[in-house]
Amino acid sequence: DQQVKQNSPSLSVQEGRISILNCDYTNSMFDYFLWYKKYPAEGPTFLISISSIKDKNEDGRFTVFLNKSAKHLSLHIVPSQPGDSAVYFCAASGSGNTPLVFGKGTRLSVIA
Amino acid sequence: SAVISQKPSRDICQRGTSLTIQCQVDSQVTMMFWYRQQPGQSLTLIATANQGSEATYESGFVIDKFPISRPNLTFSTLTVSNMSPEDSSIYLCSTLSPTDTQYFGPGTRLTVL
Repeated sequence: DQQVKQNSPSLSVQEGRISILNCDYTNSMFDYFLWYKKYPAEGPTFLISISSIKDKNEDGRFTVFLNKSAKHLSLHIVPSQPGDSAVYFCAASGSGNTPLVFGKGTRLSVIA
Repeated sequence: SAVISQKPSRDICQRGTSLTIQCQVDSQVTMMFWYRQQPGQSLTLIATANQGSEATYESGFVIDKFPISRPNLTFSTLTVSNMSPEDSSIYLCSTLSPTDTQYFGPGTRLTVL
């Protein structure tokens, strides 16, 4: 049973437009959510996070939105750049030093 | 953030053999994790390795198949034993920062023939 779901395996966006990557979770005990970006032949790198006490966190071109009632979060990238092309993983964890649970990832392609 | 290195970066192995993957961190960390990413799948946690105690394995993973060592606070190894083609995967080492952010090594791409 997948606790973290990314239902879109891939997404294509024009350069300069907004990219929206979605993620749903089922475990109501999750209270910390992260997005990771992964390039081929590299490990995932941390991008942005949000705790359950917030509904929005912004860092430059990246904004993560959390809707706890819907158990849904999304990552917005504005404006999208070709260098953003990568696989994006949504991850979640409960309180304390618990390891992350990951979604399957969404491959974003930003077309110049 | 911690800098994590893994060796080897990739390997091609024969069925029935074993491979040990090394993970080195540039700072002392309490918790280290080993993940697997099979083709088309999410990153799946294999086990948590704490220094000075036995590794804790997730459901579906056992010590005989994936023995782990954690001799000190900067180093860990994962062995994939008696390999079969189903073990072909990317294996990733990860650590937890004091701010509860996980950082990953570059991964080891394993192909079992």
